[in-house]
Amino acid sequence: RKEVEQDPGPFNVPEGATVAFNCTYSNSASQSFFWYRQDCRKEPKLLMSVYSSGNEDGRFTAQLNRASQYISLLIRDSKLSDSATYLCVVNGRDSSYKLIFGSGTRLLVRP
Amino acid sequence: DAGVIQSPRHEVTEMGQEVTLRCKPISGHNSLFWYRQTMMRGLELLIYFNNNVPIDDSGMPEDRFSAKMPNASFSTLKIQPSEPRDSAVYFCASSSPTGLQGLNTEAFFGQGTRLTVV
Repeated sequence: RKEVEQDPGPFNVPEGATVAFNCTYSNSASQSFFWYRQDCRKEPKLLMSVYSSGNEDGRFTAQLNRASQYISLLIRDSKLSDSATYLCVVNGRDSSYKLIFGSGTRLLVRP
Repeated sequence: DAGVIQSPRHEVTEMGQEVTLRCKPISGHNSLFWYRQTMMRGLELLIYFNNNVPIDDSGMPEDRFSAKMPNASFSTLKIQPSEPRDSAVYFCASSSPTGLQGLNTEAFFGQGTRLTVV
């Protein structure tokens, strides 16, 4: 089993739609969680950290469910510019410097 | 800050040749990561360093791969001899532990080296 698993997609949605991605992780001791965004032929960049209480940044909302070991990303009012691959990232107490990336979920927003 | 700097940006080499990828992390960051990305396997962690010391190299595919970090501002990833299946984009990233638990904040990535072995 992979340490971090994501649905590869692609998710193909119209502009203005709401779309949600989930990610599951295997290490119950994991302490830090992130969503990264990667555009085609570019490097990954931090989109947002994921806090235990959940957090929101504009149209983006991240949630953490420790009991079920998954994190989610919700994008409201999708824009064409949101088209990218979204990577779930996890690290852990027992390997605190190790950042493990999921394979990513591809999002395509169409006009 | 110039960010994480990787060189070269592109490398095309013949099978059997030695390849050296270079990385300069962000000044003040003491964690450095080497990742490999392919369509089939996604982004894989190869090795990471903390304070110039290799902490976990379990992701290094085989003995043909080696990585060094002689000082806080420079790291190399070497493949010798290279094979066509090593073709991928290799990313270097750096980060700085923070907080009581010493967990990382975000990792900043370089632009990557696109390696093609023919």
